[in-house]
Amino acid sequence: AAGVIQSPRHLIKEKRETATLKCYPIPRHDTVYWYQQGPGQDPQFLISFYEKMQSDKGSIPDRFSAQQFSDYHSELNMSSLELGDSALYFCASSSGRSPTDTQYFGPGTRLTVL
Amino acid sequence: AQKVTQAQTEISVVEKEDVTLDCVYETRDTTYYLFWYKQPPSGELVFLIRRNSFDEQNEISGRYSWNFQKSTSSFNFTITASQVVDSAVYFCALIFSGAGSYQLTFGKGTKLSVIP
Repeated sequence: AAGVIQSPRHLIKEKRETATLKCYPIPRHDTVYWYQQGPGQDPQFLISFYEKMQSDKGSIPDRFSAQQFSDYHSELNMSSLELGDSALYFCASSSGRSPTDTQYFGPGTRLTVL
Repeated sequence: AQKVTQAQTEISVVEKEDVTLDCVYETRDTTYYLFWYKQPPSGELVFLIRRNSFDEQNEISGRYSWNFQKSTSSFNFTITASQVVDSAVYFCALIFSGAGSYQLTFGKGTKLSVIP
């Protein structure tokens, strides 16, 4: 079965640079969630989209922005990167915007900021 | 406060032993949803189970079983006859539906090491 695809899998950036993370949800899934997992930490919710509209916002820094496109893929844009942004970034997708619609996670993008 | 607590930071067991991972939650909502996810060393998050607050029936899936008790706000996970492949970090998570937000709130995770 097709899974959530994230690219790139690994990314190394310098401080103050920008980064773009991409997420391709499971086919026919219309909801995308982004989570950030720092080293040794639990995943923290950043933002979510349902039918191409932002549906919920968590602890996402103002330096970050995201959107969901017409083909339902999503991109997380991160600017003025800081050392503390180094983390594993997960995208999850679900077939609806309901707690009973299970969120299936991608493999993550490991961002390292030097 | 809406919170998930996994008091066990790390557990080590010898292969074939049974092990129980504890999860305690706090919520003011009467409707909520509980989850367990597995994160193996490779890093991905793998969905294991979802439970609704109005369904206290326990569940068994192969060597995995889950015990949901609303009276103690607990949703514990037991692995029977553990195997080396069970070594991973296990996260308990919660969705509180009261605010119309469907983000997962995770516990800190329990790192399970199964020793051959």
